[in-house]
Amino acid sequence: NAGVMQNPRHLVRRRGQEARLRCSPVKGHSHVYWYRQLPEEGLKFMVYLQKENIIDESGMPKERFSAEFPKEGPSILRIQQVVRGDSAAYFCASSLGQGDEQFFGPGTRLTVL
Amino acid sequence: DAKTTQPPSMDCAEGRAANLPCNHSTISGNEYVYWYRQIHSQGPQYIIHGLKNNETNEMASLIITEDRKSSTLILPHATLRDTAVYYCIVRPYLNTGNQFYFGTGTSLTVIP
Repeated sequence: NAGVMQNPRHLVRRRGQEARLRCSPVKGHSHVYWYRQLPEEGLKFMVYLQKENIIDESGMPKERFSAEFPKEGPSILRIQQVVRGDSAAYFCASSLGQGDEQFFGPGTRLTVL
Repeated sequence: DAKTTQPPSMDCAEGRAANLPCNHSTISGNEYVYWYRQIHSQGPQYIIHGLKNNETNEMASLIITEDRKSSTLILPHATLRDTAVYYCIVRPYLNTGNQFYFGTGTSLTVIP
């Protein structure tokens, strides 16, 4: 009964590089959410996806950030040309259906040097 | 926009009940109250949710006032492992965005 899996758990990038964060939802869940937590702050919603569709990306920066949840494989959060301000913990969550409780993964801690 | 107000921190003696309050005076009729917690550096963990009736599960109890403008999460016998930040969230069950808005939460410290 695997929960939400995220990898890598820790990621170090230099300014200007790309970061790819992966999230495998709970088996059978088709709703995926990404959140960002800056140091000493609460979680902030970024994007909500349902298989192959972006439902709500109101919390995602307009530039450099993108997300996908393909028909096969994990959800990917991609950050291009990373800057130091992107350093944060990125959490993925999944739910069985709309409205159901969300189960969170362990997070990916991104450090931009 | 968290729509909830929680005390920033609380202490509780180990073995005693921890009562965590939450104000949500602008809650709408179709909004549920959810509680999550985040143990240091880990992903948030779902605890419980309710609409207007009190709810209980193996982790906690949720008491919602009759006017639904506030609620209390009760951990009946707090242990050191319950030390965490507890988030109270209000959200419609069927929300197009389906995201949870986390505020700053209450940092609960269970003291031996």
